[in-house]
Amino acid sequence: ETGVTQTPRHLVMGMTNKKSLKCEQHLGHNAMYWYKQSAKKPLELMFVYNFKEQTENNSVPSRFSPECPNSSHLFLHLHTLQPEDSALYLCASSQAAEKLFFGSGTQLSVL
Amino acid sequence: GESVGLHLPTLSVQEGDNSIINCAYSNSASDYFIWYKQESGKGPQFIIDIRSNMDKRQGQRVTVLLNKTVKHLSLQIAATQPGDSAVYFCAENSGYSTLTFGKGTMLLVSP
Repeated sequence: ETGVTQTPRHLVMGMTNKKSLKCEQHLGHNAMYWYKQSAKKPLELMFVYNFKEQTENNSVPSRFSPECPNSSHLFLHLHTLQPEDSALYLCASSQAAEKLFFGSGTQLSVL
Repeated sequence: GESVGLHLPTLSVQEGDNSIINCAYSNSASDYFIWYKQESGKGPQFIIDIRSNMDKRQGQRVTVLLNKTVKHLSLQIAATQPGDSAVYFCAENSGYSTLTFGKGTMLLVSP
């Protein structure tokens, strides 16, 4: 256990569905991140939150909408996704912008 | 642009051998480097890190070497075990808010 929990582990959704990914960290960290991991590509940073404030949006399409209600919880709201959005979505937390602790990810399939 | 990359996409070794996984980086401003291990179905797990004021750091069965002259980072795993089979990522921090990850190397350990 890394102290970062993601749910659900697997998600299949149609292009017209709305779903949300959840992340919770039990490490007392002040920063949380969403990453996208596609096959044969480096990890792609999507969003960064520091002390609940979004500090980075890495040119992510608006069909991905993050929410950080407090420093322990992070959500990624999904709507009208495309098949190319199918990937492993990883949440991470850190105390400084160095050693990130990752969750196990949500494997998303968009049909 | 700046990038972090790996020389070998797949490395196959026999159990008990020593493994060396290499990583090249191009951002001379990077001052912190980290190695992650990702097993199938799991998120990346921290292995070891090193700052640019060091050229070597040892952990349990692992050693990271940093050569700033040629911008090269390596991870050495002693007495490789089947449980070491995974994808290994290097990442760098150049002083910005997040890590930049390489594509990863698959390590396959045969009994």
